[in-house]
Amino acid sequence: DAMVIQNPRYQVTQFGKPVTLSCSQTLNHNVMYWYQQKSSQAPKLLFHYYDKDFNNEADTPDNFQSRRPNTSFCFLDIRSPGLGDAAMYLCATSHTNSGQGVAEAFFGQGTRLTVV
Amino acid sequence: RKEVEQDPGPFNVPEGATVAFNCTYSNSASQSFFWYRQDCRKEPKLLMSVYSSGNEDGRFTAQLNRASQYISLLIRDSKLSDSATYLCVVNPRSGYSTLTFGKGTMLLVSP
Repeated sequence: DAMVIQNPRYQVTQFGKPVTLSCSQTLNHNVMYWYQQKSSQAPKLLFHYYDKDFNNEADTPDNFQSRRPNTSFCFLDIRSPGLGDAAMYLCATSHTNSGQGVAEAFFGQGTRLTVV
Repeated sequence: RKEVEQDPGPFNVPEGATVAFNCTYSNSASQSFFWYRQDCRKEPKLLMSVYSSGNEDGRFTAQLNRASQYISLLIRDSKLSDSATYLCVVNPRSGYSTLTFGKGTMLLVSP
C-alpha cells in the first residue's frame, strides 16, 4: 500500500490560475517536504515542515505557499503559475529527532504539472 | 563548491560489469547519507543508507569517506534493470532536518 500519496498524478493548469497539489502520508512522520524537479535536474527543495514549523528555502519564490493542517496532510499552493513552474512536484516524508540528523525520506509518486 | 556533486554520466556498461559512482559533499558536518534510485519520470526510491563502516546489500556496496568527504556506490554484476539515475543524498547541516540531492548519475546497462 502506498504510504505517501500525492494527488493528482497529473495536473494541467492555465497560466496564472491558482492550483493546489496535495500530499498525504500514513507513516506518521514528523517531517514533510516539497521538492520541485525539472527534466534532467535534481529535486530542488522548496520548503519543509518539521511538525508544524514551516521552513522556507531562501530561493523559493513567493508564488509558492504551503499548508500543513495536520500530521498527515500537506498542500502546495501555486498562486499564479507561470510556464517556468511546469515540473514534477514531489512530496516526501521522513522522521527525525532533533540533533540526531534526518532519516531517509519516502516519496510520493509525484504530481506532474503542466502550465498552458 | 556545490553542496552535493555527482558526475552526471551517462555510464554505459555491459551486463555483468562492475560500475562505481562517487559523490562529494561540501559540509564536513553532514550526518546522514543515502543513495536513491530514480527511474525515468518516476519518484526517487531509497536504494540504501550509507554508514561510516560501509554497508552492502546484495550486489550493491556503499562506502563513506569522511576525511575526503565523499560517498561511493559500487554495483557488481550489473543487470539491465539497474539502468536508472542514481541520486546521492546528504543531510548537509548537523541536526537539521532536510535532505539535499545531487543531480544524479545516469547508468545505462546494455545487453
